[in-house]
Amino acid sequence: GQNIDQPTEMTATEGAIVQINCTYQTSGFNGLFWYQQHAGEAPTFLSYNVLDGLEEKGRFSSFLSRSKGYSYLLLKELQMKDSASYLCAVRDQGDYKLSFGAGTTVTVRA
Amino acid sequence: SQTIHQWPATLVQPVGSPLSLECTVEGTSNPNLYWYRQAAGRGLQLLFYSVGIGQISSEVPQNLSASRPQDRQFILSSKKLLLSDSGFYLCAWSGVKREGTDTQYFGPGTRLTVL
Repeated sequence: GQNIDQPTEMTATEGAIVQINCTYQTSGFNGLFWYQQHAGEAPTFLSYNVLDGLEEKGRFSSFLSRSKGYSYLLLKELQMKDSASYLCAVRDQGDYKLSFGAGTTVTVRA
Repeated sequence: SQTIHQWPATLVQPVGSPLSLECTVEGTSNPNLYWYRQAAGRGLQLLFYSVGIGQISSEVPQNLSASRPQDRQFILSSKKLLLSDSGFYLCAWSGVKREGTDTQYFGPGTRLTVL
């Protein structure tokens, strides 16, 4: 099983940068996923990390440190449409299932 | 490209009534399929997953059941709904059968209210 922690809420200003941290505890590890979920909608896939380091996709980047059980999602040049919940999910070694954190609600203010 | 459909989009049901939610995937074969529930303001809870026709694994003991009568069809059912069954039900699929990226992609969801 997994124990996944992420902050409940974060607020930032349009054009700024926000970093959402995720820590996890697992007996085995086979990848960490970040999803974005707008209110009332389904989650959409943002990024995947399985090796240590930074993965960059446009304004969004995700970092992983397996030894520390730690990841972060970095949102740059924030836009109003980035206001959403961001879900961290971890997959165990040899498993198909994902365990999700409770999500971090990001509010972008003008 | 692959698409995933769920219906109905919203549902209001009385306590004690039956439930049937359907999920279908197009554009892929032999996907892994998943049912999640998200209660208001809460995280995603995995209910069932399936790696093939007729193969269902249950994660949470409750009054719900799942079936996979066809390769790309996944059904969530209940004989008698409880108030606590209210929530946002999400179906997801993934397409890799071995260890690897195996990203899960979600359908649009069904919002169920039990009164």
